Amino acid sequence: GAVVSQHPSWVICKSGTSVKIECRSLDFQATTMFWYRQFPKQSLMLMATSNEGSKATYEQGVEKDKFLINHASLTLSTLTVTSAHPEDSSFYICSARDLDRGTDTQYFGPGTRLTVL
Amino acid sequence: AQTVTQSQPEMSVQEAETVTLSCTYDTSESDYYLFWYKQPPSRQMILVIRQEAYKQQNATENRFSVNFQKAAKSFSLKISDSQLGDAAMYFCAYRSWGSQGNLIFGKGTKLSVKP
Repeated sequence: GAVVSQHPSWVICKSGTSVKIECRSLDFQATTMFWYRQFPKQSLMLMATSNEGSKATYEQGVEKDKFLINHASLTLSTLTVTSAHPEDSSFYICSARDLDRGTDTQYFGPGTRLTVL
Repeated sequence: AQTVTQSQPEMSVQEAETVTLSCTYDTSESDYYLFWYKQPPSRQMILVIRQEAYKQQNATENRFSVNFQKAAKSFSLKISDSQLGDAAMYFCAYRSWGSQGNLIFGKGTKLSVKP
C-alpha cells in the first residue's frame, strides 16, 4: 500500500508555544489530505480537510485560527497548533487520499503525540 | 447525515479461531464505500479491507472477509484463523461516493486474541 509519513512522532511543548506537524505522502501525490484527532480509547475525529493550493475546510467546532493547515504541495500538508494549551494535548493523525492507483483509498500516517505542559 | 455504529466495544477470540466484528451504518445514499481499518498498539491505522456498495460480491483479503448486506445496512468483518498479531482496535468507516474522501468512523471494537 501507499506510504504516509508524519513528523514528529511525538512532541512536548510549553503552554503558549506553537507546534508544527508535517504529513507527507511518500510514493503518491495527494490532492486531498485529512487531519484527525484521537483521544485515548476513542475513535478518530475529523478536524479538517486539506486540499492542495486552497484553504482547508474545517469541521464544525474546530477553531481554524488555532489549528492552521497548509497544503503547499501535492505531497505535503502541515498542521500548526498555535498557542498550544494543555487541553490541546492529544494524538493527531493525518491521512492522504490516493487517487493515483485508481483505488481512491485513504492511507494514514503513524500519528503525532502532542503533550502540552 | 451518515452514521456508523459498532455495537461491540470489545471482543475476544482464541488463536486460530474465527471471529466476526459487527458494523451497521445509516445512509440515504445508494453509492458509497465501506472500510475496515485496524489500529494496533502502535496506533498506525492500517487498511484491512474495502467494499464498494455497487458490488454485490463480498470483498476478501486473505484471512479477512466481509459480509456486506446493503439492504440491512450491515458490514461485518470476519477474521479467520486468528493470529496474535490481529489483536488491535478495529474501526468500521463509511465514505460517500462523490465526497472529497472524508471517512466517518464507528467507535471501534477492541479485539483480543488469546494464545
